[in-house]
Amino acid sequence: DIVMTQSPDSLAVSLGERATINCKSSQSVLYSSKNRDYLAWYQQKPGQPPKLLIYWASTRESGVPDRFSGSGSGTDFTLTISSLQAEDVAVYYCQQYDTTPWTFGQGTKVEIK
Amino acid sequence: EVQLVESGGGLIQPGGSLRLSCAASGFTVSSTYMNWVRQAPGKGLEWVSVIYTGGGTYYAASVKGRFTISRDNSRNTLYLQMNNLRAEDTAVYYCARNSMMDVWGQGTTVTVSS
Repeated sequence: DIVMTQSPDSLAVSLGERATINCKSSQSVLYSSKNRDYLAWYQQKPGQPPKLLIYWASTRESGVPDRFSGSGSGTDFTLTISSLQAEDVAVYYCQQYDTTPWTFGQGTKVEIK
Repeated sequence: EVQLVESGGGLIQPGGSLRLSCAASGFTVSSTYMNWVRQAPGKGLEWVSVIYTGGGTYYAASVKGRFTISRDNSRNTLYLQMNNLRAEDTAVYYCARNSMMDVWGQGTTVTVSS
């Protein structure tokens, strides 16, 4: 199985500042023949289901604010919130969908400093 | 509107069985991958099972041999038959569309306890 490891487990960021979450996969999730990384990012607020933010590592889902961006390839990925807003307080998960079983990172809790 | 609505959760004794349902609207379940994902209380997300467009299925090791995913195309509904339930199966169960899970239901809670 592909193991997804996120860092940090939690972070506190001031409003308007940048938040950066890292995700590392135990093997590459790059499907070279399609030149796509099979990596998604989700946001989950308390009492709600997860919400897809980013897929193919860097493609923003429709309706997601452009302060959210994804980058990276192969085994190392980053989710960046360029200017943290109060409504961004949540737990964020990465997920690989390259190989079953699909696997999630353990989650990163983002709070306001 | 694209929507998923789960049902069928509840309190069940260890060793018991439950069948979860996930009714889809706004799209056809047979035209896409469909998943079950669960979240134990206070824990992260755990993928459980997928059914492919062709009908093939795959399971997490933790549920293989006990859970069965299926769909009813006429009802446009996804199912998860859960047998021989254990305390560690206690979780909110979500259905989700696609391998990159772009649509999620609100979840249904399964509690396995005596």
